[in-house]
Amino acid sequence: AQKITQTQPGMFVQEKEAVTLDCTYDTSDPSYGLFWYKQPSSGEMIFLIYQGSYDQQNATEGRYSLNFQKARKSANLVISASQLGDSAMYFCAMSPINTGNQFYFGTGTSLTVIP
Amino acid sequence: DGGITQSPKYLFRKEGQNVTLSCEQNLNHDAMYWYRQDPGQGLRLIYYSQIVNDFQKGDIAEGYSVSREKKESFPLTVTSAQKNPTAFYLCASSIPGIRHGYTFGSGTRLTVV
Repeated sequence: AQKITQTQPGMFVQEKEAVTLDCTYDTSDPSYGLFWYKQPSSGEMIFLIYQGSYDQQNATEGRYSLNFQKARKSANLVISASQLGDSAMYFCAMSPINTGNQFYFGTGTSLTVIP
Repeated sequence: DGGITQSPKYLFRKEGQNVTLSCEQNLNHDAMYWYRQDPGQGLRLIYYSQIVNDFQKGDIAEGYSVSREKKESFPLTVTSAQKNPTAFYLCASSIPGIRHGYTFGSGTRLTVV
């Protein structure tokens, strides 16, 4: 069974500070992808970053980086230099290679950036 | 611009009625998906389709039906058998390969009145 766990229902961060959103996963598939999505209050899901299970280096996309610790089955999202526009829900997701691109989502973390 | 269009953005349904949510994409993606989002529960897969004229049930398919007659379109019908249909519904599409994430539509918020 596939499972994604996000243990932080809500987080606050001061503008310009860095913040880490936690994500752990469970799968028996040896090959999988890990993703983070941002959902603003308008509802659309915005792709942020991808990490492959066999990738040697942690993924980075601008201010976003993924702290991938395979042995611990964790894929934490780090947002550096937070901006007011980063306030949103953030979802961690996993797609095992043998599931036809099916995604499994966590319950999300609500991030609020404080001016 | 390529993307996924979901309509309507807001939908109200009386109890006992069927209602159809539209999802259209012009990305030439083969696979399409329907997810349901409830507060505090993340996204749950309803149905998905990897090619035209073929689709599979997801984790919560009961009370829903879909069709995939064209590559561009994947409508979802919420039937009267769905006991608690009030939710936010998201459609997505993708191309093969796990490196490629989903492209999502902007969602439809369905409320039963």
